[in-house]
Amino acid sequence: EPEVTQTPSHQVTQMGQEVILRCVPISNHLYFYWYRQILGQKVEFLVSFYNNEISEKSEIFDDQFSVERPDGSNFTLKIRSTKLEDSAMYFCASSEKGGSEAFFGQGTRLTVV
Amino acid sequence: AQSVTQLGSHVSVSEGALVLLRCNYSSSVPPYLFWYVQYPNQGLQLLLKYTTGATLVKGINGFEAEFKKSETSFHLTKPSAHMSDAAEYFCAVSRYSSASKIIFGSGTRLSIRP
Repeated sequence: EPEVTQTPSHQVTQMGQEVILRCVPISNHLYFYWYRQILGQKVEFLVSFYNNEISEKSEIFDDQFSVERPDGSNFTLKIRSTKLEDSAMYFCASSEKGGSEAFFGQGTRLTVV
Repeated sequence: AQSVTQLGSHVSVSEGALVLLRCNYSSSVPPYLFWYVQYPNQGLQLLLKYTTGATLVKGINGFEAEFKKSETSFHLTKPSAHMSDAAEYFCAVSRYSSASKIIFGSGTRLSIRP
């Protein structure tokens, strides 16, 4: 069964460092998303991406965040100058069309120390 | 704007008992509604979804949910709880539009008593 894969599963980084979280969406999907879940809290929308550009972003997705689809398969989330409060589980998701079922990856646990 | 409210952050039932997890939504357009389950240290797995058509939808693991427009609700039920159902459950809403985001509720942790 097709699935969304995320790497790494766990990333530890020092405050102020840049991190790149990687995702391989399901191959025929056209819409891509990043969500995050701070420990014990709800899953929050960060950004949606379609046709090589951001479709929508939340207020959380400020200038320290960026997304990219560098090739035909990967979808990345870059966090510049990480802060302690960026520590969370980051989920990538993809869907075949807007509003339809989104398939989520297993997540990357980011710990900023 | 769309939003989801899950009543009860923690629900505990006995094994074999009825499971009822409550979800109410707010949406200015016809919603798409979802229930996702998250097992400890794992990702989000879709249990079931409502898009259009039949208002009672059946999902995996014996769960079902009914879309009630008049009550703006989408409660999740299972007739008989199993120990393996212990997990976090998230109700979510989206709308059919280009790259529409999914809005999640705050989640309900389901515990099963032996």
